Amino acid sequence: RKEVEQDPGPFNVPEGATVAFNCTYSNSASQSFFWYRQDCRKEPKLLMSVYSSGNEDGRFTAQLNRASQYISLLIRDSKLSDSATYLCVVDPGAGSYQLTFGKGTKLSVIP
Amino acid sequence: EPEVTQTPSHQVTQMGQEVILRCVPISNHLYFYWYRQILGQKVEFLVSFYNNEISEKSEIFDDQFSVERPDGSNFTLKIRSTKLEDSAMYFCASSALGLYEQYFGPGTRLTVT
Repeated sequence: RKEVEQDPGPFNVPEGATVAFNCTYSNSASQSFFWYRQDCRKEPKLLMSVYSSGNEDGRFTAQLNRASQYISLLIRDSKLSDSATYLCVVDPGAGSYQLTFGKGTKLSVIP
Repeated sequence: EPEVTQTPSHQVTQMGQEVILRCVPISNHLYFYWYRQILGQKVEFLVSFYNNEISEKSEIFDDQFSVERPDGSNFTLKIRSTKLEDSAMYFCASSALGLYEQYFGPGTRLTVT
């Protein structure tokens, strides 16, 4: 069974802190990688796609290591509004477009 | 900013009843999806739809489920005879192309009693 594993959390961090989330995926054929955030009882919202070279969007940096089948998300200067569950998401490859979600890591940013 | 919309936001039904969940994907998107999330669990893929037919479905998507695009804007999920275990949040998603980012609607909370 193809799985996505994430840090169990929860992560409780003060405002302004830097926090990192890790994720491993089991399917070496996966081609697309994403981080979504999900607020309580809301829909997953795309945070960023993850590219092989790594990519940055403001305070958020995502890294992909295909050899280790490992994805990371770094959040700098945490804000209260960053409090959410962060979902690591991959596709199964082989032309499949369905997304496989991790269980998510809950982040609480504390004033 | 274009977004996926879903109706109703909450549906309560009795076991054995049929329900239809409705979605309006982003207008220029070509791929449509249904996912579900049982409370406290991870999001699970149900089905993908492209060019007026199912392109993939999961083991969850059995004969009780069906999807349809009845017109140029709506995309529906029908559950013919609901079971207690169908209680979940159902999310519709769409993407411009198959491996592009998928955007999710706000979900329909289905409660089967």
